[in-house]
Amino acid sequence: GESVGLHLPTLSVQEGDNSIINCAYSNSASDYFIWYKQESGKGPQFIIDIRSNMDKRQGQRVTVLLNKTVKHLSLQIAATQPGDSAVYFCAENRGSGGGADGLTFGKGTHLIIQP
Amino acid sequence: DAGVIQSPRHEVTEMGQEVTLRCKPISGHDYLFWYRQTMMRGLELLIYFNNNVPIDDSGMPEDRFSAKMPNASFSTLKIQPSEPRDSAVYFCASSPTGGTIEKLFFGSGTQLSVL
Repeated sequence: GESVGLHLPTLSVQEGDNSIINCAYSNSASDYFIWYKQESGKGPQFIIDIRSNMDKRQGQRVTVLLNKTVKHLSLQIAATQPGDSAVYFCAENRGSGGGADGLTFGKGTHLIIQP
Repeated sequence: DAGVIQSPRHEVTEMGQEVTLRCKPISGHDYLFWYRQTMMRGLELLIYFNNNVPIDDSGMPEDRFSAKMPNASFSTLKIQPSEPRDSAVYFCASSPTGGTIEKLFFGSGTQLSVL
C-alpha cells in the first residue's frame, strides 16, 4: 500500500506510574546499545547504555534490560514525571569494529505523561 | 561545557538557493557527525569526520550536499541547490576519542524548510 509517513508508536502513562519502552534489534552481532531521549525542539540526549555482556543496567530512575536470546531491549522509567515526555530512541552498535556506520538508530517511541 | 552548537536554529529558503548549516563540536572531541531527521526516515547519518578528515560520506544523498571541517572546532554542511525534499531537521553530533564510537553528543539541530 501507499506509504503515508512514519507513525511513531505512542505510549501514554499516568504521572507517577512506571513506563516500559521496548525496542527490537535485528543484528545478533550488535555488542553495544544506547537509549536516547529527544524532547521537542531539541537534539537526542544520552540516557543510558549497556554492553552485550550484561543483561541489566540501572541508572537514576531508569533501567535498561537486554535479552539477547530474542534480540530485545527495553527501557524502564520509574515514577514518571512530566519532564519524561519525549521521543525515546534505541541505538545499536553493530560491532563492526567502530565507526558511526555501526551505530544504527531505531524509529523511536513517543512517551506521553498524563497528569 | 557549552555542548555542540549549531546555527542557525531555523532556516527558511526557496528552492534553488544555497543553504549552509554550521556546527561547533565539543572541545576535545575527535569525531563529528551530520545527521538528518525526518518523520519518514528517522535519523539518518549523512557523513562523519575523524580529526577533521571525512571518513564516510556514503549517507550524503547526492552531489548537492557537501560537508567540510576546516579545523577541529568548526564544520559546515552545504546544500546547493536546495530542494523541497531537503526539508528536515539537521543535527550535528560529536564524540570523544575512544576507539569505538559509541556515545554521541547532539546539538539542538537546524530546522530547514525549503519552499
